[in-house]
Amino acid sequence: NAGVTQTPKFQVLKTGQSMTLQCAQDMNHNSMYWYRQDPGMGLRLIYYSASEGTTDKGEVPNGYNVSRLNKREFSLRLESAAPSQTSVYFCASSVRQGSYGYTFGSGTRLTVV
Amino acid sequence: QKEVEQNSGPLSVPEGAIASLNCTYSDRVSQSFFWYRQYSGKSPELIMSIYSNGDKEDGRFTAQLNKASQYVSLLIRDSQPSDSATYLCAVRVEYGNKLVFGAGTILRVKS
Repeated sequence: NAGVTQTPKFQVLKTGQSMTLQCAQDMNHNSMYWYRQDPGMGLRLIYYSASEGTTDKGEVPNGYNVSRLNKREFSLRLESAAPSQTSVYFCASSVRQGSYGYTFGSGTRLTVV
Repeated sequence: QKEVEQNSGPLSVPEGAIASLNCTYSDRVSQSFFWYRQYSGKSPELIMSIYSNGDKEDGRFTAQLNKASQYVSLLIRDSQPSDSATYLCAVRVEYGNKLVFGAGTILRVKS
């Protein structure tokens, strides 16, 4: 019972490099989310996908893009990484948008130097 | 004003005591409220949800909701060192139908 799987767990990037964070869930959830967590700031929503085929911006979308590849997978792309994007990134899913609780992946710790 | 506010702590309580964690929110029409526990270096884990005014109990945990005062709390009875973690309050805001998280309260239970 994997739940929400994120890869990679750790990553160091140089400024200007690009990368994609992968997320997959096996709970048949409709909605998926990407959050970033910074000290003292809590979890901030970057992008979300209410259902397969839809994506919307959250609170802090600048510098990121997303793809809902299918019902299971939701990826987050940094096109040109900046030091301000150093953070811990969490993917989450839920049965429906905003409903019930969210199930989180184990996180990706990203450092941009 | 932040949408969901929590005292950052740390809140220190002795083992066996009651820990009381508080959260206020700004969206008056919010209907769904959640408490997550996050151990250091780990992901948030849902421990309680509450949708109606009053108390909801689950084992050693009690969630309390007062919509008129826009206030949610979490009580942990018989606190254990294993309860030491950051507790995140989350509120579903009606516009955009999304969860908004507070910054969390650090709880330390001393043995």
